[in-house]
Amino acid sequence: GDSVTQMEGPVTLSEEAFLTINCTYTATGYPSLFWYVQYPGEGLQLLLKATKADDKGSNKGFEATYRKETTSFHLEKGSVQVSDSAVYFCALTPISGGSNYKLTFGKGTLLTVNP
Amino acid sequence: EAGVVQSPRYKIIEKKQPVAFWCNPISGHNTLYWYRQNLGQGPELLIRYENEEAVDDSQLPKDRFSAERLKGVDSTLKIQPAELGDSAVYLCASSLDSDEQFFGPGTRLTVL
Repeated sequence: GDSVTQMEGPVTLSEEAFLTINCTYTATGYPSLFWYVQYPGEGLQLLLKATKADDKGSNKGFEATYRKETTSFHLEKGSVQVSDSAVYFCALTPISGGSNYKLTFGKGTLLTVNP
Repeated sequence: EAGVVQSPRYKIIEKKQPVAFWCNPISGHNTLYWYRQNLGQGPELLIRYENEEAVDDSQLPKDRFSAERLKGVDSTLKIQPAELGDSAVYLCASSLDSDEQFFGPGTRLTVL
């Protein structure tokens, strides 16, 4: 079945540091790929997405590129802020079979940014 | 616009007791999802509704879990009786058809 593997946390960075959170997936065909963010006490929010190979999703300074050849969708940000402290989830939905709504999540990566 | 509303936010019960969670989706969203998120894990889908109809309940443990979505708006998820292993965060999400899912803040259940 489909699965998502993301780097183990927690990740602790200083403000303005470069962030990478690795994500790889296993799926048939060409799934859609997502990054969700969960701030303390809040629900999951969609951060960015990509629906086909080589697409780059971006939002709030975060970026991720859909790499079919390496089955990866790594999240990056050039300069993190304290307000980016949250749990980040990589996820996918299959493209076919009538279940294109079915999100499969990774385990999440806790990011803490210190001033 | 109001987001997905869930209540209660926290619930502590003893094992073998019943418990219910309520969800009010975003206005106009016809699709509603219930997820369970165990500690240190990503959310896992329990059930999906399109309007009043449960179109995917394959992951719902039907011996003790039940859900309903009367009138195709609010939804209730029930566990009876609760077991220790049911301790988790229960998330509700809604969407317009199969578009982006919007999540509520969740209900954190602790079973003692």
